[in-house]
Parts: sequence; C-alpha cells; structure tokens
Amino acid sequence: QTVVTQEPSFAVSPGGTVTLTCGLNSGSVSVGYYPSWFQQTPGQAPRTLIYTTNSRSSGVPDRFSGSILGNKAALTITGAQADDESDYYCALYMGNGIWVFGGGTKLTVL
Amino acid sequence: QLQLQESGPGLVKPSETLSLTCTVSGGSISSSDCYWGWIRQPPGKGPEWIGSIYYTGNTHYNPSLSSRVTISVDTSKNRFSLQLTSLAAADTAVYYCARIAAAAGSLRPYYFKYWGQGTLVTVSS
Repeated sequence: QTVVTQEPSFAVSPGGTVTLTCGLNSGSVSVGYYPSWFQQTPGQAPRTLIYTTNSRSSGVPDRFSGSILGNKAALTITGAQADDESDYYCALYMGNGIWVFGGGTKLTVL
Repeated sequence: QLQLQESGPGLVKPSETLSLTCTVSGGSISSSDCYWGWIRQPPGKGPEWIGSIYYTGNTHYNPSLSSRVTISVDTSKNRFSLQLTSLAAADTAVYYCARIAAAAGSLRPYYFKYWGQGTLVTVSS
C-alpha cells in the first residue's frame, strides 16, 4: 500500500524559513508524481498552493515555493507570517488517474 | 469564476448508500481540459481522494473504495455525483468536490484548481 509521509508538526518563528517534506514509503518522489501542496485552516476547504512540484496557484504569495529535495517533495515558506499557521497537505499522482494525499503537517508560527 | 457546490444529506444510517451532487457554475462540465473529482476528509485526518470523472463518463477510483463507489456526470445539468454504498462510521467525513486540470493531449490530471466548500456527512443510526 502506498503511503505518503509528512512531518506531523513543525514550528517556525515569524520571519523565519521552514521546509516541509512529502515522501513515499515505497521509494523516491520525483517530478513525475506531480507533487501538489495544499493549505487548510480549520473549517475551510483546502487551498491549492503549489502544483506540478513548483508552480504556484494564482494569488499565492511567492514566499511559498516547491521543489524536490533529495528523494522528497518539499514546500518552503520563506519569511513566515502569523497567518501561515495552518495544516499543510501534499498529494502525489500515482498514475491511472489516482492521487494519494499525505497525512499533513501542522505548522505553528511562534 | 468557476464555483462548485456540494449537496446531499448530512446524516446517513449505517449500511445505507450516500448520494452527493456537485453543481458546477461559472463554467462547463463538458470542458475537455479537466476532470471532476471527489475528495473526503475524516475529522482530524488528512484528505483522501475518492475518484474522478471526465465529461465523457470515463472514471478513475481509489482502489481502496472502488467496490463501493460510483461517480457519474450529468452534462445537461452541469453537475456530477457520488454514490458510496454500505456506509460505516468510518465514512463520516467532509466530502469535497473539485475541478482537476488535465494536460492537453495526455489528459494526465495535474492541478486541483478549484474546490467546493465541502459538506459534512455523518454516518450514524
């Protein structure tokens, strides 16, 4: 069974930089998995931040960036702000129309 | 601006069938450059992709749910639907519909561009 792994939690200071990662239990993440990143606050639908590894959705600040780091997809937030405190999820495309989401990272800005 | 709106019952009994509809406004469900998908999120957990449909009716399902899931599309009403059978408490979740952009030619889905606001479905007797 394919499992997409994320750090359960992370903390960053205001103005700091944080990198969240998205891995696979069965191998390396590459651009072919079309990594996507989503931000979600309580009671709201997910908001797509990044798609196809490093493309930003319309209206997403450029302090959010995506990449491949080693064998994982990564979301970097540069100059973190208080309202970046959210849950962050990644999703990977497995082929044949199938997507798998990670369990999410709870980001605290303090 | 494209909008998606989920509708359906908020409470369903165990063993029954859930039927949800996603109505699309501000765009055509017959677009050739996207899929229409269902995603659910149990309370306190991450999202789970349920399945997707192309306007022609071609579907893809999560293998873990495929025996219980049917997604259909009604182009005349600009909406698509989800049926999930044999419900259990573990199916309690917020159910979202989404528009998933697809690459021209290959039709590989690559971008969850629009999301509905979600609807909470509770499975309980």
